[in-house]
Parts: sequence; structure tokens; C-alpha cells
Amino acid sequence: QVQLQESGPGLVKPSETLSLICAVSGYSISSAYYWGWIRQPPGKGLEWIGSIYHSGSTYYNPSLKSRVTISADTSKNQFSLKLSSVTAADTAVYYCARSPTYYYDNSGYYQPLYFDYWGQGTLVTVSS
Amino acid sequence: DIVMTQSPDSLAVSLGERATINCKSSQSVLYSSNNKNYLAWYQQKPGQPPKLLIYWASTRESGVPDRFSGSGSGTDFTLTISSLQAEDVAVYYCQQYYSIPPVYTFGQGTKLEIK
Repeated sequence: QVQLQESGPGLVKPSETLSLICAVSGYSISSAYYWGWIRQPPGKGLEWIGSIYHSGSTYYNPSLKSRVTISADTSKNQFSLKLSSVTAADTAVYYCARSPTYYYDNSGYYQPLYFDYWGQGTLVTVSS
Repeated sequence: DIVMTQSPDSLAVSLGERATINCKSSQSVLYSSNNKNYLAWYQQKPGQPPKLLIYWASTRESGVPDRFSGSGSGTDFTLTISSLQAEDVAVYYCQQYYSIPPVYTFGQGTKLEIK
């Protein structure tokens, strides 16, 4: 059974960097899946932040791209999120999730799809 | 970016009755080469992460009750709950995963309650 668990500070000061880790158990992140981050401000909807493949291929939401870095540590079977220069608008529950892929054999491209397994989420508050 | 718009924003349905939620994309999410609609539906209950219900617009995820069904193609999609149960009270989201490079977007959510 695939399990994902987010961890990191629950409180971050404005202008600092938010750092979270997603530990994956029951499945190797080196498999043909993408691993992503999604956030949800209190009482609001879902926003995709970005996704990573074990090869290091990453995709980011253009609205956050200048501040986001997602990386993977296959030896620890985990991946991480860094979001710099945070403001109160970055206060949210942050989820990590797994995406199956679709393989296009004419191009050799693996496209990340929907999110089939999610962590429980961790609330990060940006406040001084 | 592809904008996903759900309707209605909230919905109250009696137990045992049919619930219908709509999702419209700002451009088609049907990929012609494989005839697949790149559209998923999720259910989120309070204090829980979203749960995948439907992918490829109409394929039910394993373990999801068959009262949940998805339909539609191109830009217009529907999630139907055939006979509402008390445990179906939740917020429902649609999501497109069509964009290459990926820029995944969700609808704003539809809150489903018991009438």
C-alpha cells in the first residue's frame, strides 16, 4: 500500500523559505510515476505547485515557478519542496501526491496524469 | 492555462436522489490521437485529502462505489451520483491533466450537502 507523509515546520516567517519533505513508503519513487505537490489555502480550492520524476525532470506551476524547487532523493525514497520568499498568501495545507504516467511511444515522453495517492497534508502558516 | 469552471458552486440533494455536478474547460482536453479525455474528479471530505474518484473522464478508480459515474467529452463533463448517501457529503473537484508541458488546474469545487 502506497503511503505518503509530509513533514516540515508548521510556521514560517515572511520572506523566508518554506521547506517540506514527503516520505514515501510501500512504493519506490524510482518507478514510472511522477511525484507532486499541491496546496490548499484554508477554506479554498486546490492549486498544483509542481511535479518531479525520479530522473530529475520537473514541472512547475508558472505562477510559482520563480520561487519553487522540487527535488528527489531516491536513496531515502522521498522528495522535497522549497518555496522561497513566502508571504501570508502562501499559508495553506500542503499535500504531496503520486501521479501515474502515460507513455507516448512516438516521442518517448512520460506525461504525468491525475493524482491517485495523497498524503494527509500539513498546514504551513506564514506569520511573524 | 486551461481554466476549469464547475457548476453549481453548491448543491443540496435529498438522500437517495441524483446529484449532478458539471465541469467546463476553457479548451478541449480530448487528445485526438488516443481519444482520451484528460479529466479527473476528486472527492474531499473535511479534514481529509482529496480522493480520486474518476479519471479519463469516465473510468472509476478501484474501490469507488458504482453510484459515482463520469461522462462528457471535449470541454463539458459531468459527475453524477445516482443515489445520494449521507457519506457523499463533500466538496468535489474536477482537474485537467491535458497540458503539455504539464500545467495542471482544478475547478473551484462544488460543495454537496443533504437537503
